[in-house]
Amino acid sequence: AQSVTQPDIHITVSEGASLELRCNYSYGATPYLFWYVQSPGQGLQLLLKYFSGDTLVQGIKGFEAEFKRSQSSFNLRKPSVHWSDAAEYFCAVGALRENTPLVFGKGTRLSVIA
Amino acid sequence: DAGITQSPRHKVTETGTPVTLRCHQTENHRYMYWYRQDPGHGLRLIHYSYGVKDTDKGEVSDGYSVSRSKTEDFLLTLESATSSQTSVYFCAIKQNDPSTDTQYFGPGTRLTVL
Repeated sequence: AQSVTQPDIHITVSEGASLELRCNYSYGATPYLFWYVQSPGQGLQLLLKYFSGDTLVQGIKGFEAEFKRSQSSFNLRKPSVHWSDAAEYFCAVGALRENTPLVFGKGTRLSVIA
Repeated sequence: DAGITQSPRHKVTETGTPVTLRCHQTENHRYMYWYRQDPGHGLRLIHYSYGVKDTDKGEVSDGYSVSRSKTEDFLLTLESATSSQTSVYFCAIKQNDPSTDTQYFGPGTRLTVL
């Protein structure tokens, strides 16, 4: 069965600073990997996804993530954080089998300070 | 926007009463999911459906039942609500293309059980 670990519960960064959110997964085969963002009081919005091919994937809002098979990681990055990026971020892993739902990490809450 | 609506958006009820939450989608997606979101737990899968009348249990299915009598609607029922079921409930769909495995979420229903 798949599992996802997001080691950081809460991260605070200054506006304009770079950001990296960590995600480690466990899955026996090639995973499908996702990052979602949830602004306060809102639903989850897909930021980006990895299925195959180039291990560096670009998403919306200037985010990118890199799949590293050797480290079982899919870390999310942004070179310069904006105050509007303050939100909760969820990493998720899926499998190719049709009836297997995504498994989500517990989330990382990002705070942005001036 | 995957054409997902949830109703009601907010509900306050009393312990022991039945509650039904509705998820409606307009794009004929085969897969639908119900999650609950609680602080410190992230998103946890309650039930999911892979077609009309085809459902399966998720991680936290106790105390919940679901029904899917037509493609566009997936109902979540709390037969006798308890305070531990106070949560935010999210519905999600997965696009019909099996190669994408991407889930999209509704806006959520905030349920308070007094």
